[in-house]
Amino acid sequence: GIQVEQSPPDLILQEGANSTLRCNFSDSVNNLQWFHQNPWGQLINLFYIPSGTKQNGRLSATTVATERYSLLYISSSQTTDSGVYFCPNSGGSNYKLTFGKGTLLTVNP
Amino acid sequence: DTEVTQTPKHLVMGMTNKKSLKCEQHMGHRAMYWYKQKAKKPPELMFVYSYEKLSINESVPSRFSPECPNSSLLNLHLHALQPEDSALYLCASSQNPDRADNSPLHFGNGTRLTVT
Repeated sequence: GIQVEQSPPDLILQEGANSTLRCNFSDSVNNLQWFHQNPWGQLINLFYIPSGTKQNGRLSATTVATERYSLLYISSSQTTDSGVYFCPNSGGSNYKLTFGKGTLLTVNP
Repeated sequence: DTEVTQTPKHLVMGMTNKKSLKCEQHMGHRAMYWYKQKAKKPPELMFVYSYEKLSINESVPSRFSPECPNSSLLNLHLHALQPEDSALYLCASSQNPDRADNSPLHFGNGTRLTVT
């Protein structure tokens, strides 16, 4: 199956800092989504982004499908941004969204 | 608010109990999923239903039994579970099972299961 590599595995920021999270994929990019899992376990859909660039407030994402990677930019981070960020991708499968190990982000006040 | 509703939010059960987890969506989605997530691990796919038929079973033990009574409902029946089955169980849905693209997943808030 598809391999999803996320970096960095852990990231600690001071409030107000900017950061970039990266996902590399071993297979084609389909159904790529970025999720934020908050400390209560809720998976919050940030972007559906199989290609191109999208922005939503302080967050933006870019996927370069031809090179099989995606980036999530967080600007002016807030403590509520803390949690785990996932970028699952289904590759060539219609159904099987495969998750990487995630990036654990901690934003300190 | 999530458009995929899971009940209960929390469940504690003994190893001899029988319980069910429920999931409901009213977005007209035709694919529904169960994922299992252990602490500090990513979600892992358990089952996929496409047009109310089981299309993927990721070699899940038979003590987990899924059921899709109609296009809006998905159940997970639990029987004779082990303590290592304690986890967050996440339900998800997507619009179009026939396409590998343009069909993002929508997750519920999960049921946190503890087996004693």
